[in-house]
This record gives sequence, structure tokens and C-alpha cells, in this order.
Amino acid sequence: AQKITQTQPGMFVQEKEAVTLDCTYDTSDPSYGLFWYKQPSSGEMIFLIYQGSYDQQNATEGRYSLNFQKARKSANLVISASQLGDSAMYFCAMREGGSGGGADGLTFGKGTHLIIQP
Amino acid sequence: NAGVTQTPKFRILKIGQSMTLQCTQDMNHNYMYWYRQDPGMGLKLIYYSVGAGITDKGEVPNGYNVSRSTTEDFPLRLELAAPSQTSVYFCASSSPVGVSQPQHFGDGTRLSIL
Repeated sequence: AQKITQTQPGMFVQEKEAVTLDCTYDTSDPSYGLFWYKQPSSGEMIFLIYQGSYDQQNATEGRYSLNFQKARKSANLVISASQLGDSAMYFCAMREGGSGGGADGLTFGKGTHLIIQP
Repeated sequence: NAGVTQTPKFRILKIGQSMTLQCTQDMNHNYMYWYRQDPGMGLKLIYYSVGAGITDKGEVPNGYNVSRSTTEDFPLRLELAAPSQTSVYFCASSSPVGVSQPQHFGDGTRLSIL
């Protein structure tokens, strides 16, 4: 079974609209972290936002927020007031605590290709 | 701030050749990682290291080797390159404080095996 599922291969959104990118995850580890990365066409991986499994509040970073629903095992990224520069691939990833305390790498979803239209 | 530096940025190899992808970080991070990204896919973990002298396999280690002699460097070696190893390779590092630390990525190495 996939650990990270991103069900939207591609999305088109009008500039200045808000957009929600879906992510569901699967783990039995009580300690885990969820991350969102942005990959523009230039190829680099840019860290956007983090949510911990024990965090009581949803994470926010500027225009990015994370809608964390632990019981549903979902961690959707919300981008407010989208801009043309937000066009990119977006990846949801998880890091489990496990026996290694988080040393094992990130598990990534397949990504969502977001295109912002003027 | 250099962060994570990967060299080379691009490389074309012939089937059966070998090469080493270099990765160095200047953030004094103990944890380092190698991922590969195939077209249209997310990243998959090849190998990781929690400190100098310690390495472990990830999800897709076959055909690769790593070493970690210093905190800063974590080279990835491809032996007998095969077309299935055509991919973009990313090196990453993080500090060792539980699950909360984001991984910082290099810009990637685009490798083609022909």
C-alpha cells in the first residue's frame, strides 16, 4: 500500500484564487512528520511547510497553510491568493519516527502539477 | 550559504560505465540521503547515512554504493551503469532532531545512460 497518496495529477487554477492540494498518508507510527515541497520547472526541491503528528494546531507559513485532519490521515496544502510563480510540482512527504527516530528518509507522493493561469 | 552542493549537474554515461556523484554539505548535518526521481514520479530513497562511517539501504539500493568518511561528504557510486538508472539524483541532509527537521536538497544531477 502506498504510504503517501496525492490524487490530483494536475490542477489548473486562476491567479489570485486559493488552491487546495490533497495528500493522504498511511502509517501506524504515532510519531511522524508531514512535509510539503515545491519543485519548479528548474528542478530544485524547496521546503514549504511542516506538520508534526503531535501538533495541536495547523501549520502556517505565509501564504501556505496545512489542513491537518489526523483521524482522516490527511494533510492538505492550502495556498492562498495564488500567484503565477506558484506554478510547479508539489510533493507531499512523510518522515516516520520508527526505531531510528526519524533517520530513515522521506517517503514521497507522486506529486501534483499545479498551473496558475492569468 | 552553499547548503547542499551536488556535482556534476548533468552527465551522460554509456552502458557499463561507472561514475561517482558527489555531494557535500556545509551545515554540519549528521543525516544525509540520496534519492532518485524518475519522470513523473516522486523521489525514492536509495541510501542514507546517520553519520560518518554509518550507511544504510533505502528503498531502491540495487546498483549503487555509498560511503561516508566525513560529515560533509556523501558520494554515490554507480557501478556498471544500466539504462534503468537514467534519472535525476538528489542529495539531501538534515539535522538529527526527530521527525521535525526538513531535509535540505541539492539542485540534483541529471543522469542519462545510453
